[in-house]
Amino acid sequence: AQKITQTQPGMFVQEKEAVTLDCTYDTSDPSYGLFWYKQPSSGEMIFLIYQGSYDQQNATEGRYSLNFQKARKSANLVISASQLGDSAMYFCAIFGDGLTFGKGTHLIIQP
Amino acid sequence: DSGVTQTPKHLITATGQRVTLRCSPRSGDLSVYWYQQSLDQGLQFLIQYYNGEERAKGNILERFSAQQFPDLHSELNLSSLELGDSALYFCASSTRTVDGYTFGSGTRLTVV
Repeated sequence: AQKITQTQPGMFVQEKEAVTLDCTYDTSDPSYGLFWYKQPSSGEMIFLIYQGSYDQQNATEGRYSLNFQKARKSANLVISASQLGDSAMYFCAIFGDGLTFGKGTHLIIQP
Repeated sequence: DSGVTQTPKHLITATGQRVTLRCSPRSGDLSVYWYQQSLDQGLQFLIQYYNGEERAKGNILERFSAQQFPDLHSELNLSSLELGDSALYFCASSTRTVDGYTFGSGTRLTVV
């Protein structure tokens, strides 16, 4: 069985600062994929970034990057130059039978 | 618009009743996943269908069932509803894992 742990229930960050959202995972599968999703207050789930366990480089998508440390079983999301529109819930997930999600981090960007 | 269509957006029903939630996946996606999001349990995987066949089961109650039709749309049937079934139900579809799973906007079910 897979497990995702997000230890930051909430974070307040000043606009334009970089943000790191923590995620650790547990799996016995030798091959796996890690995802980050954003859920704004409107409720939709927005896919941000994917990291495969055998990918040699950390994934990047625009202002989002994933700090993947396989030995530590961590897959932290880094948001550069945060914006007010980044305020949302952020979920880390691992693929197995469907996606197993963490409990999420509520990120609030302050002007 | 994500390309995954869920109907209805909101549903209010009484305990003991049965409801059907509908999902049309993104064009070309063969896999459909159902998830439940509640304050108590967070986001939980319920069930996956691939091209009409059940592929994987998660924490789906026996009172719940799903199917995927030849046109690839899927329905999630919830019966003998309880107050605790009130939640946001998402459908997601995928083609390639690296492209992520595309979620619909969800159906908010309220059981009263």
